[in-house]
Amino acid sequence: GAVVSQHPSRVICKSGTSVKIECRSLDFQATTMFWYRQFPKQSLMLMATSNEGSKATYEQGVEKDKFLINHASLTLSTLTVTSAHPEDSSFYICSASTGTGRSTEAFFGQGTRLTVV
Amino acid sequence: GESVGLHLPTLSVQEGDNSIINCAYSNSASDYFIWYKQESGKGPQFIIDIRSNMDKRQGQRVTVLLNKTVKHLSLQIAATQPGDSAVYFCAENRGGGGNKLTFGTGTQLKVEL
Repeated sequence: GAVVSQHPSRVICKSGTSVKIECRSLDFQATTMFWYRQFPKQSLMLMATSNEGSKATYEQGVEKDKFLINHASLTLSTLTVTSAHPEDSSFYICSASTGTGRSTEAFFGQGTRLTVV
Repeated sequence: GESVGLHLPTLSVQEGDNSIINCAYSNSASDYFIWYKQESGKGPQFIIDIRSNMDKRQGQRVTVLLNKTVKHLSLQIAATQPGDSAVYFCAENRGGGGNKLTFGTGTQLKVEL
């Protein structure tokens, strides 16, 4: 299957700083990328949908000014957690798909463990 | 509200036995379902999918069953192996266009030797 790479896999930052997480599709062009957040022993919660060249669509309750998403190319989307606080500590996962069809397979990255201290 | 959920949070099985993981969904408009496996500290891994025009689909050692009448989805794993130990999620495309997925709550599968 297609490969989606996330970087970094783990990051520790100080409260109040910003952290950028990259999501790359290595061997295909991703029309759409999705960003999820997962707290321990919980499910994946969709944060936003990122389409190349346009503004991201955020899910209800997700602050767009806090979680900045950029999808500048068909192979790269970034999520920046601004002014991070301990409650933002979580596992962030991206997925990428080649199309927008309802049954288009989504390929997931390996996740980024963010710890805010 | 509408949701995708699982009946059992933890399932323990003996190595070699068959495993059945269940999922209930409530959105009748959902027409595409996927099972994912997630190992600790990793992203979800695609296992098998099924469209709503089917009621059964088989893969290697895995079978997904879909019962639209009662809005129920199950994943059957044959001859469960220690490497199958993970959290399993069902996910659905709720409709409305695009391929946005909604994930269920997850089931921890533990394989005992």
